[in-house]
Amino acid sequence: ETGVTQTPRHLVMGMTNKKSLKCEQHLGHNAMYWYKQSAKKPLELMFVYSLEERVENNSVPSRFSPECPNSSHLFLHLHTLQPEDSALYLCASSQDPELALWDEQFFGPGTRLTVL
Amino acid sequence: KQEVTQIPAALSVPEGENLVLNCSFTDSAIYNLQWFRQDPGKGLTSLLLIQSSQREQTSGRLNASLDKSSGRSTLYIAASQPGDSATYLCAVRLQGAQKLVFGQGTRLTINP
Repeated sequence: ETGVTQTPRHLVMGMTNKKSLKCEQHLGHNAMYWYKQSAKKPLELMFVYSLEERVENNSVPSRFSPECPNSSHLFLHLHTLQPEDSALYLCASSQDPELALWDEQFFGPGTRLTVL
Repeated sequence: KQEVTQIPAALSVPEGENLVLNCSFTDSAIYNLQWFRQDPGKGLTSLLLIQSSQREQTSGRLNASLDKSSGRSTLYIAASQPGDSATYLCAVRLQGAQKLVFGQGTRLTINP
């Protein structure tokens, strides 16, 4: 596997379900990101992890809970979501911009989430 | 608050034409600017990254320029091909911040 992978690629869940999105990067990076892409809106940053510590939480509701157990893996735990949370969730990785001059971000293919 | 605008929202041109996509940002205190392409329902593919100290970057038929003082970047695509059809996104990273702020993208269609 190369680059950034995400599973599952598609997810349909009810409002009372609990599910998790997984992201894995094989690029040796030390920063990872969750983004949300809704129809008709620009990509929005949700969370940033650097060296496995959360460094930014962009006012995301608590029904989204991130977890970064190591520098290669990032999870987004979902519970009691709303229909308006339906979107494409994208994971990205880069070198930490505070530690490296080159912080080009590389994205995974995304998880298409539908909340019924 | 940094805002990123991309014009036009959609563009359709015949194959073989050279074209320019525009990106503007309101806060010139950026660390870098990155151009991406996104195919329908897919993730983003990084095309070019320009550091704030640079004026342009080139990769194959793509050339991106940056004018930080005027808050503008352009992506030039030479000799366009149907495979270039995608949505093109620009994003800026502010100095001292780790987040990228994205524009809404330009949806490009190259007609054979």
